Amino acid sequence: GAGVSQSPSNKVTEKGKDVELRCDPISGHTALYWYRQSLGQGLEFLIYFQGNSAPDKSGLPSDRFSAERTGGSVSTLTIQRTQQEDSAVYLCASVQDRDRDGYTFGSGTRLTVV
Amino acid sequence: DQQVKQNSPSLSVQEGRISILNCDYTNSMFDYFLWYKKYPAEGPTFLISISSIKDKNEDGRFTVFLNKSAKHLSLHIVPSQPGDSAVYFCAASAGDKIIFGKGTRLHILP
Repeated sequence: GAGVSQSPSNKVTEKGKDVELRCDPISGHTALYWYRQSLGQGLEFLIYFQGNSAPDKSGLPSDRFSAERTGGSVSTLTIQRTQQEDSAVYLCASVQDRDRDGYTFGSGTRLTVV
Repeated sequence: DQQVKQNSPSLSVQEGRISILNCDYTNSMFDYFLWYKKYPAEGPTFLISISSIKDKNEDGRFTVFLNKSAKHLSLHIVPSQPGDSAVYFCAASAGDKIIFGKGTRLHILP
């Protein structure tokens, strides 16, 4: 596709349930990032995939968060046993190689935990 | 520990005047700085960047200034237009990760 696609655009879930957020990056982009933006906060780095290298998971806030990237393309961010503090907009970005000007963000998934 | 700080949550500027958005950083290893613009319900979009070896980069109405000794950068928009109303994120990089500030909401007044 022409841009980064994220689904769902909105998700409301009950506390304690698991959720999966999906990101379809731009075809051919080698790197994929997940960020989240909580209310009144900036974009918080979560995890980074670059090619076939081991992902940089240093931003994941707890072991309830995990992500995978299958076939170097689609990525899924999974949050287990969701908590209210997980409510945020989760943004995915992809970029070709290490072009620091070239991050393309999706529109995000707004997650609300009730 | 916030490495990129935008201390003004919001800014209002008259249409046609200059908008100046400020950003401070703490990590001296940052070697690349960026500004992103975000409209509601959309992802951030890249606006302009500057390498640490420069002190100014200009692109049309947008100019970014970098003061390394003060660990400060600013984005100047002149003249400001209604479509510039958005949230602006300052960001910095020391490698493959980009660290973002909390953003400044810019309102352009008619």
